[in-house]
Amino acid sequence: AQTVTQSQPEMSVQEAETVTLSCTYDTSESDYYLFWYKQPPSRQMILVIRQEAYKQQNATENRFSVNFQKAAKSFSLKISDSQLGDAAMYFCAYRSASFPGKDSNYQLIWGAGTKLIIKP
Amino acid sequence: KAGVTQTPRYLIKTRGQQVTLSCSPISGHRSVSWYQQTPGQGLQFLFEYFSETQRNKGNFPGRFSGRQFSNSRSEMNVSTLELGDSALYLCASSPGIPLYSNQPQHFGDGTRLSIL
Repeated sequence: AQTVTQSQPEMSVQEAETVTLSCTYDTSESDYYLFWYKQPPSRQMILVIRQEAYKQQNATENRFSVNFQKAAKSFSLKISDSQLGDAAMYFCAYRSASFPGKDSNYQLIWGAGTKLIIKP
Repeated sequence: KAGVTQTPRYLIKTRGQQVTLSCSPISGHRSVSWYQQTPGQGLQFLFEYFSETQRNKGNFPGRFSGRQFSNSRSEMNVSTLELGDSALYLCASSPGIPLYSNQPQHFGDGTRLSIL
């Protein structure tokens, strides 16, 4: 079964600086998707960025970028020029792109989350 | 375009009661998934519906059930509530079955269920 691990329960960064959130995952599949979601106090889960495993190029969305290392099964999120509005829980999630079978399922599998604090 | 709408936002129940939560997906989205979020267990998948059929199910007891209507709106029901059912229940929608699409899911604000 697939697992997602976020080893940093909490991170803090000074406003305008750069921070990197870590995520590792375990899977025997070769085709899958990876996501970073943000959950502010308002509770709504907001998609930040996504990566298809077959793409070698790292995904980028404005100030957010990922470092996807498929062999190492690592998927870190870099936030540049941190802003106060970036403060939230960040969740890394995995989803299989393989046909459902005994050991695979296309539901989202989530990490435990990292609380990001932005210091003004 | 309106987002995913979940009602109610907050709900307080007592043990043994049952509860029904509602989710209206984004217009045009036909897939609805439900998740339970607790501090101890994190986010766990409950089930997914597409075209009124349950397509995928997580490891929850039979007290948790759901359904989807022809307009793609979905309801989740929990019977014989237990203290451990206290959680934030999130609903997410996507255009099609996630397996055949790389489109991400869009989430609602959730329903906070508290069991006394």
